Amino acid sequence: EVQLLESGGDLVQPGGSLRVSCAVSGFTFSSFAMSWVRQAPGKGLEWVSGITGSGDSTFYAKSVKGRFTVSRDNSKNVLFLQMNSLREDDTAVYYCAKTTSWTGSKIDYWGQGTLVIVSS
Amino acid sequence: ELVMTQSPATLSVSPGERATLSCRASQSVSTNLAWYQQKPGQAPRLLIYGASTRATNIPARFTGSGSGTEFTLTISSLQSEDFAVYYCQRYNIWPHTFGGGTRVEI
Repeated sequence: EVQLLESGGDLVQPGGSLRVSCAVSGFTFSSFAMSWVRQAPGKGLEWVSGITGSGDSTFYAKSVKGRFTVSRDNSKNVLFLQMNSLREDDTAVYYCAKTTSWTGSKIDYWGQGTLVIVSS
Repeated sequence: ELVMTQSPATLSVSPGERATLSCRASQSVSTNLAWYQQKPGQAPRLLIYGASTRATNIPARFTGSGSGTEFTLTISSLQSEDFAVYYCQRYNIWPHTFGGGTRVEI
């Protein structure tokens, strides 16, 4: 059974940093690109970042480029999102998501999300 | 940058009626288009991929169509469990942008 479990969400002050993680099981992690998708309270889905199966290529939405860094540890089956220079509009539930190919494709599995609140 | 636009933002439909949701891409995505359903408090669920292929265990009342820049999701006869928010997403190249969503309400 495919499982994705996010952790690390917290309350952080504007300008602060936070790292969220996603532990996965039930599939060959290194064979699939992964995405982070966020959802602000009462708003729609926003694709945030993606990383290929090998971790060699990373991709970012304009809204987070230069502030967020995605990475993965294929030996431990964990996906990370390092978030720096956080702003109040980064407040959202952050979902970890598995795509269906090594280079990136549609999402077939989602985690339940971890809540990040940026507020003073 | 490619933009995905969904319409309408909200669709009011009675149970048993047909619902037609639209998604438009600012540049061609060929058929690299997925639809997701999200219910309150839940993660999204994949409904349609490749513009028209139903995902595993998705009922036949959900139909996707289109290619290039214009796409449609049709729910032929709305059931109570279908009232939710629906999102399209392109995935031909990164970034895998989502549309703004269509809320289907009673």
